[in-house]
Amino acid sequence: DSGVTQTPKHLITATGQRVTLRCSPRSGDLSVYWYQQSLDQGLQFLIQYYNGEERAKGNILERFSAQQFPDLHSELNLSSLELGDSALYFCASSVASRTSGRGTDTQYFGPGTRLTVL
Amino acid sequence: GENVEQHPSTLSVQEGDSAVIKCTYSDSASNYFPWYKQELGKRPQLIIDIRSNVGEKKDQRIAVTLNKTAKHFSLHITETQPEDSAVYFCAAVGLGGGADGLTFGKGTHLIIQP
Repeated sequence: DSGVTQTPKHLITATGQRVTLRCSPRSGDLSVYWYQQSLDQGLQFLIQYYNGEERAKGNILERFSAQQFPDLHSELNLSSLELGDSALYFCASSVASRTSGRGTDTQYFGPGTRLTVL
Repeated sequence: GENVEQHPSTLSVQEGDSAVIKCTYSDSASNYFPWYKQELGKRPQLIIDIRSNVGEKKDQRIAVTLNKTAKHFSLHITETQPEDSAVYFCAAVGLGGGADGLTFGKGTHLIIQP
């Protein structure tokens, strides 16, 4: 168990719908990352938050957005869902961010949310 | 941004033999290189990592080597066991693109033959 929790474990929805995925980082971790894993694209970095602020964006679609709350949990919002959005979505956390001056910290992954769009 | 190539995509070895997985990266400013193991349907689990000021790191049967000049790093597993069967991913963090977002290779499916 990495200490990172994600809910729900599974999500089945229809095209055009909107869903929210939730992540709680390990105790003490300030950085949260979201990744998408699909057979086509592999494991892809979507977005990073550090202490409530967006730190970096990867291959995140405009239909997707995220936020990190004062208690440090994070939510990933996926809207106007398409069949191709079906994937495993992982959240990871680390103590800090490179730009915080601590260097690059180990990222610990949560169990993931499996999204199926029908 | 960073690009990570990983080879081979599938590796089958006899139990007890060694396995080597190789990765190359494109961003010369990258300074952190973790390896993750993922079993089917489970989360990626960190097994070892190396930072750019170190050339080699070992943890029991697992070792990682880094060649910054050639921009490649490798995972070595010795005395392989059935529980080593999984998909292994290398990753790198570069200064371009996402600040700390990992760029992953495509993965290597390691099969340990009894």
